[in-house]
Amino acid sequence: NAGVTQTPKFQVLKTGQSMTLQCAQDMNHEYMSWYRQDPGMGLRLIHYSVGAGITDQGEVPNGYNVSRSTTEDFPLRLLSAAPSQTSVYFCASSSPRRYGYTFGSGTRLTVV
Amino acid sequence: GDSVTQMEGPVTLSEEAFLTINCTYTATGYPSLFWYVQYPGEGLQLLLKATKADDKGSNKGFEATYRKETTSFHLEKGSVQVSDSAVYFCAQGGSEKLVFGKGTKLTVNP
Repeated sequence: NAGVTQTPKFQVLKTGQSMTLQCAQDMNHEYMSWYRQDPGMGLRLIHYSVGAGITDQGEVPNGYNVSRSTTEDFPLRLLSAAPSQTSVYFCASSSPRRYGYTFGSGTRLTVV
Repeated sequence: GDSVTQMEGPVTLSEEAFLTINCTYTATGYPSLFWYVQYPGEGLQLLLKATKADDKGSNKGFEATYRKETTSFHLEKGSVQVSDSAVYFCAQGGSEKLVFGKGTKLTVNP
């Protein structure tokens, strides 16, 4: 199993550009989440989904959109990138039958 | 709201020293508790978990006990190794989402 796959691993954007961070899992997990990791801040929840077609906001949702059209995929869209969105982004998945998430290896995003 | 507070680092130890990283939580219910580890340049890996009061999670020599009376889940290891150098995150929650502490960086010197 590949687990949780995130692409790209690195990305540099200019302020105002848009992009989509991709996340895919092959474990048939119902739950998926996006977190951002900033120095001294730990991981903060951006958006999460409990199943296809169902999404909800986390702690820091502003500036990000998500959709969940399939169980496997949970893309994160930056609508108009800002320097404050420079961060490392992690996607994770889980299921009701287990506790704790499986994390992807992350996407390091720099907005200049 | 729900939160997790863990001791601030960085923590620097010599090989074979005893490790404790404190973690306390606030929650409206009875969450599951976790410790995750992040090695340099990598994602987070689940280190151990406990799903109810008095449960002890253990893995790779690390242990933590779910203490409801003190709302704590302190991480311990009796003898650390250089390979344990990493950032450790305490977290609470369930299957849907997790709330993380800010992380504690551990460096173990030979």
